[in-house]
Amino acid sequence: ETGVTQSPTHLIKTRGQQVTLRCSSQSGHNTVSWYQQALGQGPQFIFQYYREEENGRGNFPPRFSGLQFPNYSSELNVNALELDDSALYLCASSYDSKQGNTIYFGEGSWLTVV
Amino acid sequence: GNSVTQMEGPVTLSEEAFLTINCTYTATGYPSLFWYVQYPGEGLQLLLKATKADDKGSNKGFEATYRKETTSFHLEKGSVQVSDSAVYFCALSVLEYSTLTFGKGTMLLVSP
Repeated sequence: ETGVTQSPTHLIKTRGQQVTLRCSSQSGHNTVSWYQQALGQGPQFIFQYYREEENGRGNFPPRFSGLQFPNYSSELNVNALELDDSALYLCASSYDSKQGNTIYFGEGSWLTVV
Repeated sequence: GNSVTQMEGPVTLSEEAFLTINCTYTATGYPSLFWYVQYPGEGLQLLLKATKADDKGSNKGFEATYRKETTSFHLEKGSVQVSDSAVYFCALSVLEYSTLTFGKGTMLLVSP
């Protein structure tokens, strides 16, 4: 049990639709990152939020966007869904964005785009 | 850029066998190194980590040593159990934002 909770756990969307995934970070953690894990692959970094500001972004298009709230919970929004967006979306939290700090993952949200 | 290369799986072992999963990396800067484990249908759990050269991370009988000269962080366990069956990911982080770069994962299957 990492203390990072994500919702929903599973969802199915149609190509072109929009989706919002939610994450509650571990108590006391001010940094949240989102990762996309395609089937059979390692997770890929999407972006990170630190104290409500975007603090880094991976190689994902602008239709992937996010928010972090004052209580450090976070949302991932994906617009204009494509079939290739089907994946497990993982939220991870840590205290400060410092190298070597332990990063805790939630159980993920499985997104299927049809 | 940063990258992690792991041996391809699946690795199939009998219970009580010795396990090695190879991991090598390239990094811009001095990385911290991690092993994460993912059980079927679940998220990632941190297994162990090492933050500087020659450090040994260990947990639940698993070990890995940070070898800067060979840019490696191989995972080992002396005697595997059926319950160790999972996918194992090697990962690194460097200064920028402490984000993780993962390998593709290695599936371990342990039979009784």
